[in-house]
Amino acid sequence: DAKTTQPPSMDCAEGRAANLPCNHSTISGNEYVYWYRQIHSQGPQYIIHGLKNNETNEMASLIITEDRKSSTLILPHATLRDTAVYYCIVYNNAGNMLTFGGGTRLMVKP
Amino acid sequence: NAGVTQTPKFQVLKTGQSMTLQCAQDMNHNSMYWYRQDPGMGLRLIYYSASEGTTDKGEVPNGYNVSRLNKREFSLRLESAAPSQTSVYFCASSEPRAKTQYFGPGTRLLVL
Repeated sequence: DAKTTQPPSMDCAEGRAANLPCNHSTISGNEYVYWYRQIHSQGPQYIIHGLKNNETNEMASLIITEDRKSSTLILPHATLRDTAVYYCIVYNNAGNMLTFGGGTRLMVKP
Repeated sequence: NAGVTQTPKFQVLKTGQSMTLQCAQDMNHNSMYWYRQDPGMGLRLIYYSASEGTTDKGEVPNGYNVSRLNKREFSLRLESAAPSQTSVYFCASSEPRAKTQYFGPGTRLLVL
């Protein structure tokens, strides 16, 4: 599976959009981009995933560049409850293992 | 639906003691997983079970054994606990090969 690179931490003002970047320059054509988050002391929570096209659900939007070498998770109106560690994971559905890296610690501030 | 449940929530062990961490899911998922998370680190896969009756090693299986008791339950056993096994343990479940995994609340284990 392709390795991902994320900034270790980011801040965002409450009510503003949070844009979390992820680089995955070695991604293969059949690998998906998944995003999970982990709020302090809780189990990780699935957010969104995509292959080529941009995706949106009730939690977030996922923007994948045309060359698929990077992506951005967007929380449109961040709240204090969005403070968490966000993990970008690139995965080939032929395998069985999710590999969690260090993630980005997002701090939403009042 | 309770989703994924884990017991116990907290446990303190002495070096050499044994214990079993229990996990159950009510989503009728075929695949189940055990991860550990050390302070400030990402999750690492210990063992997984792609379907009832099968188990496979993950990234860090040494010192652990697992049992897929039935479709709902997947247990993790520490036969002789070591301080290096102090961690938070998460269980998860999913459909086969699906990467949308649903996680339990975790078991916090301290080995003295």
